[in-house]
Amino acid sequence: EIVLTQSPGTLSLSPGERATLSCRASQTVSSNYLAWYQQKPGQAPRLLIYGASSRATGIPDRFSGSGSGTDFTLTISRLEPEDFGVYYCQQYGTSPGFTFGPGTKVDIK
Amino acid sequence: QITLKESGPTLMKPTQTLTLTCTFSGFSLSTSGVGVGWIRQPPGKALEWLALIYWDDDKRYSPSLKSRLTISKDTSKNQVVLTMTNMDAVDTATYYCAHLTYHYNSARYYYRFDYWGQGTLVTVSS
Repeated sequence: EIVLTQSPGTLSLSPGERATLSCRASQTVSSNYLAWYQQKPGQAPRLLIYGASSRATGIPDRFSGSGSGTDFTLTISRLEPEDFGVYYCQQYGTSPGFTFGPGTKVDIK
Repeated sequence: QITLKESGPTLMKPTQTLTLTCTFSGFSLSTSGVGVGWIRQPPGKALEWLALIYWDDDKRYSPSLKSRLTISKDTSKNQVVLTMTNMDAVDTATYYCAHLTYHYNSARYYYRFDYWGQGTLVTVSS
């Protein structure tokens, strides 16, 4: 079973700063199977990125995804106030199916 | 416009069986390239995938919970039902259903949960 590790656990930044979030897999993950979600308190997760680098519909271009193999990155080029929340990476595999990482919390510095 | 909504009990006792219903609109679960999954989130913790049913009735389960889960669909009612047996306090969580899109492009499949329900909190307590 593939385990996803996210770092850092918490990222404290100011609006306008660049955020770099890491997702590391215990085994190679095909990039087309890697997605990122944003979750705000009391809300359901929202899809940001799929296929490691494709933005979902309606997602601003300040969000970008990259990476391959076991190392993937979500970058927010310039943080907006509404970007604060918890970010999860997720991978799909034939077994067991879907796995989520533990999340990175992005909060206001 | 795709929407999903979870329904079911909010409070359960240990050993009971949980039945959750996901009622959706804006898509058909008989259309190729579509699935509906269940994901849960204990208070203050991370997301955990539970089960998935594809348009063709193919089903997938989390290995750690497989013995306790059953997922099914009623295409005519636009519903997906998840049952989880032998509930315990550790199963206290918000349960989400989500629409899965998968597509084939350049010799690869792409999967993502692109629409989510609002979630329903299920508390297990004696």
